[in-house]
Amino acid sequence: EIVLTQSPGTLSLSPGERATLSCRASQSVSSSYLAWYQQRPGQAPRLLIYGASTRATGIPVRFSGSGSGTDFALTISSLQSEDFAIYYCHQYNDWPRTFGQGTKVEIK
Amino acid sequence: EVQLVQSGVGVKKPGESLRISCQASGYKFVAYWIGWVRQMPGKGLEWMGIIYPSDSDTRYSPSFEGQVTISVDKSINTAYLEWNSLKVSDTAMYFCARSTFVGVATSFDLWGQGTRVTVSS
Repeated sequence: EIVLTQSPGTLSLSPGERATLSCRASQSVSSSYLAWYQQRPGQAPRLLIYGASTRATGIPVRFSGSGSGTDFALTISSLQSEDFAIYYCHQYNDWPRTFGQGTKVEIK
Repeated sequence: EVQLVQSGVGVKKPGESLRISCQASGYKFVAYWIGWVRQMPGKGLEWMGIIYPSDSDTRYSPSFEGQVTISVDKSINTAYLEWNSLKVSDTAMYFCARSTFVGVATSFDLWGQGTRVTVSS
């Protein structure tokens, strides 16, 4: 099973700042079969990025994904109030699919 | 409208059985894998398993295999998650979600609203 480790656990930032979230896989995720989701309190997750770097439909350009192999990142270029939430990475390269444990982005 | 609508809140006792549902609309149900994701109170997302409605090919996470059953009824565009004997530790929010692309089990681009299951004596 591929274990995804996200860091940091919590990121405390101010609106307008840049956020960089990390997702490290225990083995290589080939073909960049990695996605990122945002989950706000009381809501279902929302797909942000798939294929490591492709924004899903309707996702603002301030969200970008990068990486390959075992190291991936989600960057939010300038945090808006609605971006304070929990973010999860998800690999769909291997069975079973797995999620990271999440990174909470909170207002500083 | 393309959507997944899940069945309502379930409150059960330990040892009871339960089946929750996820009804799809607005797209070709049989063409996309549908998965189930658990979120225990205050915790992260856990991938439970996934099914391809076209042929009922089903894959489970080892953590959930033998504990739950995933199935579909193509005639009513509905996927199910079922327990034979609930435990208190099954208390969680359960989401169904659709794979992004036709025919392959990928990221999830469409999510249900979640079903809260509470198991308590």
